[in-house]
Amino acid sequence: GDSVTQTEGQVTVSESKSLIINCTYSATSIAYPNLFWYVRYPGEGLQLLLKVITAGQKGSSRGFEATYNKETTSFHLQKASVQESDSAVYYCALTGDTNAYKVIFGKGTHLHVLP
Amino acid sequence: NSKVIQTPRYLVKGQGQKAKMRCIPEKGHPVVFWYQQNKNNEFKFLINFQNQEVLQQIDMTEKRFSAECPSNSPCSLEIQSSEAGDSALYLCASSPDPSQNTLYFGAGTRLSVL
Repeated sequence: GDSVTQTEGQVTVSESKSLIINCTYSATSIAYPNLFWYVRYPGEGLQLLLKVITAGQKGSSRGFEATYNKETTSFHLQKASVQESDSAVYYCALTGDTNAYKVIFGKGTHLHVLP
Repeated sequence: NSKVIQTPRYLVKGQGQKAKMRCIPEKGHPVVFWYQQNKNNEFKFLINFQNQEVLQQIDMTEKRFSAECPSNSPCSLEIQSSEAGDSALYLCASSPDPSQNTLYFGAGTRLSVL
């Protein structure tokens, strides 16, 4: 079936250190999966961080990057130097190219950045 | 900050009671989605609308859950007879059109059924 698996639970990183949150996916019923990272900051709604619709491409936003790797079915989120304001819950997600109702989310990774 | 407004932020109900929550989508977004996020952080699609018409919905929604998006009024999701298993974060999201697969979420309504 279709699924997303990401680093679960809480990840604690000191400010200015690098970050990687792993995400792998399975898309057996979706011909052209689009991949997303959403973020939920404290007290706010989920918002799109970045999106990549083509395999092999990289998306970036706010210093975060993720590369759509079809061979390894991965979409890991990376940042070279995190800031305390990056503390939030990050969700990896996939959907078909035109069908937003079938959005498959991972269970979220809570990033805690230490000052 | 999110432009999708959900109210109330928190809702506490007893079993068997009605629970109603509302959503004002982002301006210019005719497509509205409702998702349920349970205590295990799993997302479940419930229903979506384009303007006032239902596009898709799951079987669960057809029984105890009802939803509508009347013109010139907030969208709403109502649980007719709440059960403990309905305790979850209910998320409303909007989109500028059905083919656009990026969603714009509200902060959610957290329902606790005692």
